[in-house]
Amino acid sequence: DQQVKQNSPSLSVQEGRISILNCDYTNSMFDYFLWYKKYPAEGPTFLISISSIKDKNEDGRFTVFLNKSAKHLSLHIVPSQPGDSAVYFCAASVHSNYQLIWGAGTKLIIKP
Amino acid sequence: DTGVSQDPRHKITKRGQNVTFRCDPISEHNRLYWYRQTLGQGPEFLTYFQNEAQLEKSRLLSDRFSAERPKGSFSTLEIQRTEQGDSAMYLCASSPPRDEQFFGPGTRLTVL
Repeated sequence: DQQVKQNSPSLSVQEGRISILNCDYTNSMFDYFLWYKKYPAEGPTFLISISSIKDKNEDGRFTVFLNKSAKHLSLHIVPSQPGDSAVYFCAASVHSNYQLIWGAGTKLIIKP
Repeated sequence: DTGVSQDPRHKITKRGQNVTFRCDPISEHNRLYWYRQTLGQGPEFLTYFQNEAQLEKSRLLSDRFSAERPKGSFSTLEIQRTEQGDSAMYLCASSPPRDEQFFGPGTRLTVL
């Protein structure tokens, strides 16, 4: 049973445009959500997080939106840059727990 | 060096052999995690240490797997009698007492 789902294996976006990556979850106990970026041959790198008490968190070009009723979160990158090409993972946890439950990732390709 | 390091980066072994991986976390982080990642999937939690205490092990961690963190600093993950199904990327992460985890580059294991 996949508790965190990223239904788009890949996404192609023109440089300068907005990239929107989506993530759905099933466990209503999750109250902390994170996005990580991963380049080939490297470990995941933390990007941005959001607590369930918020519905939006912004950090520079990256914004995460959380819709608790729909059990859905999204990562917006604007404007998209070539260096943003990577695999993006959504992860979730119950705050009192330490385990991160991960989605399968979405490969983002930024076209010049 | 302020990041998480892992050694070796790559390991090729024959089925039935034992292998050991090392992880050096960020020095001030008291939490250390091991994950396994296979192609096309997100990382899967294996085990977690708080200081030197191993507080949780996933059911994915069979009896052939053992992890230690003897002095609350570096950690080792040993796989005995390796099987082809053990081929994966093994990721180590560390964190302070909150959920943001910082990952090392991983050890890619290939079992022939």
